[in-house]
Amino acid sequence: QKEVEQDPGPLSVPEGAIVSLNCTYSNSAFQYFMWYRQYSRKGPELLMYTYSSGNKEDGRFTAQVDKSSKYISLFIRDSQPSDSATYLCAMSLNAGNMLTFGGGTRLMVKP
Amino acid sequence: DSGVTQTPKHLITATGQRVTLRCSPRSGDLSVYWYQQSLDQGLQFLIQYYNGEERAKGNILERFSAQQFPDLHSELNLSSLELGDSALYFCASSVGGQETQYFGPGTRLLVL
Repeated sequence: QKEVEQDPGPLSVPEGAIVSLNCTYSNSAFQYFMWYRQYSRKGPELLMYTYSSGNKEDGRFTAQVDKSSKYISLFIRDSQPSDSATYLCAMSLNAGNMLTFGGGTRLMVKP
Repeated sequence: DSGVTQTPKHLITATGQRVTLRCSPRSGDLSVYWYQQSLDQGLQFLIQYYNGEERAKGNILERFSAQQFPDLHSELNLSSLELGDSALYFCASSVGGQETQYFGPGTRLLVL
């Protein structure tokens, strides 16, 4: 079993929908949680990061961390076709440490 | 554009050969991380350098090695290449002691 699990999708939604992306993890020592967006054949782009449990909002994106359940989420409001990409969750034990990634969820937003 | 640069963008080589991948971190970043992304394994951490010193090692093969130079650029050396080494290799950088890692565009390696 992988340390970080993520549904590979693809997840197909209509433009304007609210998208919910999720990851579960097994190592309760993870403290830092990130979401990256990766377009095909490009490098991962940092979208959100949170420390410990709680919510963080940035524009159309909201990241949630529930450490008690070992579950993190990314919500995308008013989804756009340009949001079509693979979304990777990542986490680390401490600041500056290596990142452990989920396998990624492929999202398709249809006009 | 993350500010992290990687060369070359694409590399095609044969089994048994040796290649060098180069990474220049963002200005001011002291930490460099190397990751491998393959279809079956996803993104996996290989090795981290901080200000010229090796800081952490992941599941990096003995055939692979890396170093970080005084100007903070880093090189990943892959030797005795096998078909299974075909993957995307990413470099990321961070200020050092910070949680945010910024990724470069990657080098796509194809071993034939």
